Amino acid sequence: DGGITQSPKYLFRKEGQNVTLSCEQNLNHDAMYWYRQDPGQGLRLIYYSQIVNDFQKGDIAEGYSVSREKKESFPLTVTSAQKNPTAFYLCASSIFVSGIGNYGYTFGSGTRLTVV
Amino acid sequence: SQQGEEDPQALSIQEGENATMNCSYKTSINNLQWYRQNSGRGLVHLILIRSNEREKHSGRLRVTLDTSKKSSSLLITASRAADTASYFCATDGAAGYSTLTFGKGTMLLVSP
Repeated sequence: DGGITQSPKYLFRKEGQNVTLSCEQNLNHDAMYWYRQDPGQGLRLIYYSQIVNDFQKGDIAEGYSVSREKKESFPLTVTSAQKNPTAFYLCASSIFVSGIGNYGYTFGSGTRLTVV
Repeated sequence: SQQGEEDPQALSIQEGENATMNCSYKTSINNLQWYRQNSGRGLVHLILIRSNEREKHSGRLRVTLDTSKKSSSLLITASRAADTASYFCATDGAAGYSTLTFGKGTMLLVSP
């Protein structure tokens, strides 16, 4: 089945540590995205990538980094510079259809990151 | 960046009743999309309505779009307990390539 897989489901980070969240898709989608979700704040865009080896900052990129070395993979690193990393992180992918725009995003099931 | 704002923030109804959620946005769009999120899970795409469309149906879902008022509504008819979830609207900007911008969502509780 085609889909998007995030791992791990739960992740605990100590103060000062970097952690990497995995996101893999087998949908052959060109675009991939990372969102952060906090209670009552909806989804906020961290980074996105339209093609391999290229990515752009979203609204809240500070303290995060990404890479896009393969079409299927878009890992997110939460660095120690991110002061409030506890949140639910969602990865998504999509296709862009001329005349329609961004077609429906496919989301992974999320990673819940907690600082301990 | 533009943002959809859903209204109400929370909605509680009985099974069999209809549920209506509204979304307002600020700038021109290519399309508007609705998503559903069960607690602790990822979002699931429900329906997309293009800027030149006024109404769209999918099963028990009916979406309307009024670009003059920059607003959309999602109607779920004959609600079931399994419809309990958060519902988000997302707007796709009209200026070239853009990313979806999500609102804060409406939490729907359907009681048996």
